[in-house]
This record gives sequence, C-alpha cells and structure tokens, in this order.
Amino acid sequence: EVQLVESGGGLFQPGGSLRLSCAASGFNFGEYWMSWVRQAPGRGLEWVANINPDESEKYYADSVKGRFTVSRDNAKNSGYLQVNSLRDEDTAVYYCARDFGSYCNDYWGHGILVTVSS
Amino acid sequence: QSALTQPASVSGSPGQSITISCTGTGTDVVSHNHVSWYQQQPGKAPKLMIYEVTERPSGISNRFSGSKSGNTASLTISGLQPEDEADYYCCSYSTAGTTYFVFGTATKVTVL
Repeated sequence: EVQLVESGGGLFQPGGSLRLSCAASGFNFGEYWMSWVRQAPGRGLEWVANINPDESEKYYADSVKGRFTVSRDNAKNSGYLQVNSLRDEDTAVYYCARDFGSYCNDYWGHGILVTVSS
Repeated sequence: QSALTQPASVSGSPGQSITISCTGTGTDVVSHNHVSWYQQQPGKAPKLMIYEVTERPSGISNRFSGSKSGNTASLTISGLQPEDEADYYCCSYSTAGTTYFVFGTATKVTVL
C-alpha cells in the first residue's frame, strides 16, 4: 500500500525557516517524481514544487521561487521542503504527493499544518 | 501561471447528473490530454478521480466521467449521491515558466 506521511509542521514566526519531511513507503520511491502542494485555510489547492528522481530537475511555483527548496534522499525514502523567510501567507496545510507522469498526482499524504504567526 | 477556471459551485438533487467545467489559459495543456480531476472531502487529502481527461483509476465509480472540448475539460457526475458532496479540482500540466502543474479554482458540489 502506498503511504506518504508528512512531518515537521507547527507554529513558526515570520521570517523564520522550517523543513517539512515526507516519508514514503509501499512503492519504489527512487523511481518517482514527487510534488508538494499546499492549501491555505478555506482556499484551494496550490501546487508548490516538484523534483525528479535524481534531483537533476526541480520546478517551483512563481509564488515561492527563491524561498522554497525541494530535495530528497532516496536511500531514506524521504522528500523534503525547505521554506525560508516565512510569511503569514505561507500558513497552509502542506501535502506531499507522488507525481503521476504529466497527470499531476496519484497518491497524497494526509497533510501537515504550518502556521506562520507572531 | 494563473489557476485553471472552474465554477465556484454546482448543485443537484440525488440521482441527477451534474457537470463541472475547467478552462485553461493557453500555457497549460488542458487543450491536450494532461488533465486530472480530484475530489476533496472536508479535512481530507484530495483523491484522484479522473486522469488523462477520461481515465478512471481502479476503484473509482463509473458514475464519474471526464471529457474535453478545445481548451475546456469537464467532469460529469451521474446518479448524484449524498457522498458526492465535496470540493472538486481539475489539474493540468503547465508549460509556463518553471511551473510544472496548475490546479483549478475549486468547485463546491452540493447535493440538495
């Protein structure tokens, strides 16, 4: 069974940093692209970033470029999202998701809440 | 890359059929076949319902079907049931800048 479990969320101060983790199981993690998608309270889904299996390709939404960095460790079956210079508008549930080729995502984690507030 | 455009809400009575549209902007590939649809129940992660415009993953009811005309994709729910009440999103591959995927603006489906 494919499982994705996010961790690292919580309450953070504006201007600070955080790193989210995504632990994958039930499939060959090293063969798949992985994405991060966020959802602000009461708002829609926003694709944030993705990464290919060997980390040679990384893509970002314009809204997060320069502050977010996606990475992975295939030996640990884990993906990561580093977020710097946190802003109030980064408050959201963050999901990691497995890419399904060019058809967006097929499996999703349960999501992790990140709250940015002073 | 702007979000794909969906109606904010669609409603129907049990047993009826409803259709949700998803219109692209030109730099996404809604005009091609790279469109997926998701159902999101409150407090839950999105669930893939349709991919490649018309394909259903294993376990998804055949009451859900997809289609496309030009730059607009559509999701039809037939025989509407109370458990279909949820938010629905389309998603497409994008060729705009460094954006890879783009989601639609969400449609709230209400079963009357």
